[in-house]
Amino acid sequence: EVQLVESGGGLVQPGGSLRLSCAASEFTFSSFRMSWVRQAPGKGLEWVASIKEDGSERYYVDSVKGRFIISRDNARNSLYLQMNSLRDDDTAVYYCARGSNNWRCWGQGTLVTISS
Amino acid sequence: DIQMTQSPSSLSASVGDRVTITCQASQGISNYLNWYQQKPGKAPKLLIYDASNLETGVPSRFSGSGSGTDFTFTITSLLPEDIATYYCQQYYNFPRTFGGGTKVEIK
Repeated sequence: EVQLVESGGGLVQPGGSLRLSCAASEFTFSSFRMSWVRQAPGKGLEWVASIKEDGSERYYVDSVKGRFIISRDNARNSLYLQMNSLRDDDTAVYYCARGSNNWRCWGQGTLVTISS
Repeated sequence: DIQMTQSPSSLSASVGDRVTITCQASQGISNYLNWYQQKPGKAPKLLIYDASNLETGVPSRFSGSGSGTDFTFTITSLLPEDIATYYCQQYYNFPRTFGGGTKVEIK
């Protein structure tokens, strides 16, 4: 069964950094674009970033450009999101999702809380 | 950025009712639209892709239609397990954007 497992969430102070990871299994990771989608508490879904299969192209929502970096390690079947200069409004559950168009496979999500 | 306007934001219907949700894009997106179902505490689930294609394993009471700027999502006969929030999402270009969601409750 296709599986995506996020980790790395937690409580961070404003201005701090955090690195999220997503471990993929039971599919050919290197053949799929990958994305991060987040959901603030009680709010709707927001696409954050996507990365091409070989990592050659990356796309970001404007609100995270220059602060977040999406990356991947195809040898380790892993996706990452380096989050810097974190702000209160980055507080959300962050989901790893397979693809960049139709998200059929999602992780369980990891909660990131930005608070002093 | 393409804005996705989804309505209503919430609705209450009886079991067996027909439920319709609309999604309007701020510009034409052809049929590059998906519909997701999200239950509390869970990740979203893809129900409809390319505006009208039913995802494998999804019950046939769910359907989608539309092209260009106006889209419709329908549950032909509401069941208790359909209680959830539904989102439309465009992938015509980046940034990918979602509608604000429709919370469906049982009357």
